[in-house]
Amino acid sequence: GQNIDQPTEMTATEGAIVQINCTYQTSGFNGLFWYQQHAGEAPTFLSYNVLDGLEEKGRFSSFLSRSKGYSYLLLKELQMKDSASYLCAVKDSNYQLIWGAGTKLIIKP
Amino acid sequence: DVKVTQSSRYLVKRTGEKVFLECVQDMDHENMFWYRQDPGLGLRLIYFSYDVKMKEKGDIPEGYSVSREKKERFSLILESASTNQTSMYLCASAGTGFAGELFFGEGSRLTVL
Repeated sequence: GQNIDQPTEMTATEGAIVQINCTYQTSGFNGLFWYQQHAGEAPTFLSYNVLDGLEEKGRFSSFLSRSKGYSYLLLKELQMKDSASYLCAVKDSNYQLIWGAGTKLIIKP
Repeated sequence: DVKVTQSSRYLVKRTGEKVFLECVQDMDHENMFWYRQDPGLGLRLIYFSYDVKMKEKGDIPEGYSVSREKKERFSLILESASTNQTSMYLCASAGTGFAGELFFGEGSRLTVL
């Protein structure tokens, strides 16, 4: 079966760095997405990786290793507004998205 | 600014009632999707549509139907609501660009009593 694993919850301190991991086992691979979802709001697109390596976008970076079935989202200089759930999703060989359950990130002052 | 609008943020319905959830996008996207989101589970795809009047079943279509009569509008119908359909329903649209990322609506929280 197809599976996306990510931690259920993480806690970090304002101003620090946090890494949210995502491992996947899917039928084929056509890209990996990270979305951010604040409580009670819609998910919003953060990043897309289709080739191995690191993609940097301001305070957020996303890394992909296709051979290891592994990605991480790195958040630097954490702010209170970064408290949210972070969803990992993989596009499989049929171009359908397989979603992880999400990681709830709690930022403490 | 791109926008996906869902008709109702909160609904409370009785078991057996028919429920309509509407979604409109203003981005001229071909692809539209209906997901449900439940605690501890990833987003689960109910139905999607690649074009007007086209529909495809997702992972959990049972108990649901959809309608896409116009490109911008995608409706989800619960013919006879049941308590296990209590959930958050998210509509999304996507273009055919490089990533094809999804743009989501605010969600409709449905409670079936």
